[in-house]
Amino acid sequence: DAGVIQSPRHEVTEMGQEVTLRCKPISGHNSLFWYRQTMMRGLELLIYFNNNVPIDDSGMPEDRFSAKMPNASFSTLKIQPSEPRDSAVYFCASTFSEAETQYFGPGTRLLVL
Amino acid sequence: SQKIEQNSEALNIQEGKTATLTCNYTNYSPAYLQWYRQDPGRGPVFLLLIRENEKEKRKERLKVTFDTTLKQSLFHITASQPADSATYLCAPSNRDDKIIFGKGTRLHILP
Repeated sequence: DAGVIQSPRHEVTEMGQEVTLRCKPISGHNSLFWYRQTMMRGLELLIYFNNNVPIDDSGMPEDRFSAKMPNASFSTLKIQPSEPRDSAVYFCASTFSEAETQYFGPGTRLLVL
Repeated sequence: SQKIEQNSEALNIQEGKTATLTCNYTNYSPAYLQWYRQDPGRGPVFLLLIRENEKEKRKERLKVTFDTTLKQSLFHITASQPADSATYLCAPSNRDDKIIFGKGTRLHILP
């Protein structure tokens, strides 16, 4: 198994641009999570899906952030417009059930100038 | 609100000694607690899960305890090696609920 796949691994963009992060969960997993990690705030849950349905998006910072999961093998996290304070590492994780062991992807390092 | 506390200061341990990391939580009664390891530039990797009815769990050189009265979990690495140097995250949760991660403790094993 290839594990959780994220793309791109690195993204540098200018303030105001749209950013789209992609995630392919492990086949057979039914829960998918998007996290943001910074030195100051640690690992923060943004949103999670169960069976492709968003369950909890209370961690999404504001309307500039949106996430979709059109099918069991793909999810996107979009930031529009991006701001410098969005600079962080964004992780995607998947699991068989919501509260059990999570398998993380390698992350996308985002820098907004 | 729920709060997870891990020692924010880095922990330096001499090779061969036992490293002990602490995780305290407040305003929370988790049914179980997980520990993850994170290396620089990588995502967290699951190490151990302990349930509320288990006092202790072991895996090779790793040992985790879970004290629901003290609201604390301890993570031990015995016979520590430089390769154990990483950040360790504690993550309590309840069934059917999201996991909350602590900020982690950086561990340095000195050769």
